[in-house]
Amino acid sequence: EPEVTQTPSHQVTQMGQEVILRCVPISNHLYFYWYRQILGQKVEFLVSFYNNEISEKSEIFDDQFSVERPDGSNFTLKIRSTKLEDSAMYFCATATGNEQYFGPGTRLTVT
Amino acid sequence: EDQVTQSPEALRLQEGESSSLNCSYTVSGLRGLFWYRQDPGKGPEFLFTLYSAGEEKEKERLKATLTKKESFLHITAPKPEDSATYLCAVQEYSGGGADGLTFGKGTHLIIQP
Repeated sequence: EPEVTQTPSHQVTQMGQEVILRCVPISNHLYFYWYRQILGQKVEFLVSFYNNEISEKSEIFDDQFSVERPDGSNFTLKIRSTKLEDSAMYFCATATGNEQYFGPGTRLTVT
Repeated sequence: EDQVTQSPEALRLQEGESSSLNCSYTVSGLRGLFWYRQDPGKGPEFLFTLYSAGEEKEKERLKATLTKKESFLHITAPKPEDSATYLCAVQEYSGGGADGLTFGKGTHLIIQP
């Protein structure tokens, strides 16, 4: 069964550093999403991406975040200058219609 | 005010003891209501989508129902492997094609053998 994959599984970075989180969507999916989940809290929507552009973004998705699909397969989330409060699980999700399928997540730890 | 409220926050059942989890929502235009299962340290696993009041869907021991204000996830004769956090999420019409989901905090379900 096709799955969404994410790399790395765990990333440790220092405050102020840039990180790139990667996702490989299910092959025929056209809609892409990033969510985050701070430890013990609910899953929060960050951004959606369709037809090579951002479709919707939340208040969390400020200027330090960016997304792109650089090579037609990977879907990436870049955090430009990480803060302590960016520590969370980051999930990629992909969809052909309304049903979103989530990857296993990247645990980001900012020290 | 939260758009999606799940109750109870935690539920402990004996194996075989049926129960229901509740998800109440307040959105102006519901595109869909989703149920996911999340195991510790893992990503949410898709279970069901419900689109209109009166709709029901079943999968093994789980059955999801939808009204205009809430959804229930009924679990019948649960087994220990059903232990997980069950997440409810809603998707609103925004005019765009890729609408994000708004999640509730989840119900942490433990099934004791």
